[in-house]
Amino acid sequence: EPEVTQTPSHQVTQMGQEVILRCVPISNHLYFYWYRQILGQKVEFLVSFYNNEISEKSEIFDDQFSVERPDGSNFTLKIRSTKLEDSAMYFCASSVETGELFFGEGSRLTVL
Amino acid sequence: QQQVKQSPQSLIVQKGGIPIINCAYENTAFDYFPWYQQFPGKGPALLIAIRPDVSEKKEGRFTISFNKSAKQFSLHIMDSQPGDSATYFCAAYSRGATNKLIFGTGTLLAVQP
Repeated sequence: EPEVTQTPSHQVTQMGQEVILRCVPISNHLYFYWYRQILGQKVEFLVSFYNNEISEKSEIFDDQFSVERPDGSNFTLKIRSTKLEDSAMYFCASSVETGELFFGEGSRLTVL
Repeated sequence: QQQVKQSPQSLIVQKGGIPIINCAYENTAFDYFPWYQQFPGKGPALLIAIRPDVSEKKEGRFTISFNKSAKQFSLHIMDSQPGDSATYFCAAYSRGATNKLIFGTGTLLAVQP
């Protein structure tokens, strides 16, 4: 069964450092998303991406965040200068047009 | 208007019981309502979903009931098992108006043996 894969599974970084989280969406999907989940809380939308551009972003997705689809298979989330409050699980998801999102296993980011 | 309200926050049932989780929304543009199941340390997994043109959908032991006029929908788990213990999230999506899935706050379900 096709699945969304994410790397790394866990990253520890120092405050102020740049982090790149990587995702390989399901191959025939056209829409890509990043969500985050602070421990024990709900899953929050960060950004959606379609046709090589951001289609929607939340207020959380400020100038410190960026997304890129550098090739035909990867979808990345970059945090330029991490803050303590960026510590969370980051989930990548992909979908076809119906909105049926399939999520990866997540990347746990710990900012010290 | 973009919120999805979910209750209860947590729920404990005995094996074989029927836990019910409720969600409510405001935005009438929402037209797709999935439920996700999440185990600790894992990503949300799509469980079952419904569109507003039907009032009920069953898949195995999971049933969604949908009340369009009340803007509410609920998940029922028949004959619940300890393996169903997880966090359940309702969500809502609007294909035309927005390109994001809005999640409820989650319900932590514990099914006791």
